[in-house]
Amino acid sequence: DSGVTQTPKHLITATGQRVTLRCSPRSGDLSVYWYQQSLDQGLQFLIQYYNGEERAKGNILERFSAQQFPDLHSELNLSSLELGDSALYFCASSLWDSPRGYTFGSGTRLTVV
Amino acid sequence: SQQGEEDPQALSIQEGENATMNCSYKTSINNLQWYRQNSGRGLVHLILIRSNEREKHSGRLRVTLDTSKKSSSLLITASRAADTASYFCATDQAGTALIFGKGTTLSVSS
Repeated sequence: DSGVTQTPKHLITATGQRVTLRCSPRSGDLSVYWYQQSLDQGLQFLIQYYNGEERAKGNILERFSAQQFPDLHSELNLSSLELGDSALYFCASSLWDSPRGYTFGSGTRLTVV
Repeated sequence: SQQGEEDPQALSIQEGENATMNCSYKTSINNLQWYRQNSGRGLVHLILIRSNEREKHSGRLRVTLDTSKKSSSLLITASRAADTASYFCATDQAGTALIFGKGTTLSVSS
């Protein structure tokens, strides 16, 4: 157990639907990062939050959004889902507001049918 | 966008042999990190090397960094079947989120 909790572990949904992925960071970590991993694109950085504020944006689609709550857990919302959104979505956390080694969760496997 | 590119994409060796993976990147970095991912699971941080360091060791791992060539290598000595996994390099640019390469898949057979 890495200390980063992601739910759900698996999600199957239809095209056009909306889903929410949840992440609880390791205790004490203030930064949360979301990554998408697919076979063809590899690990793509989506977005980072630090202590409730958006800190950096990567290759995140406009259909996707995220937030970090006062208790530091984070949610990634994916809407108008397409087949190509099928992927593993990872959340990672770190202690400081700069990368010094991330702790990854076990991921949410999203399948869009 | 990918910053690091690992080479080779796949590597198969026997137990007890050494495994070497290389990573090249494009822009200047603050540090470079290596991660391991067992099939379909979360990534695990292995080692971080700062831009002003040339070599670092951790157990059976040895990492080198050549900033003039924008490259790094990860050496795993005396490989074990349990080392079978994908290995990723990740670079820190300007203190923002890590950018990962596509990884090297290592297979160690007994």
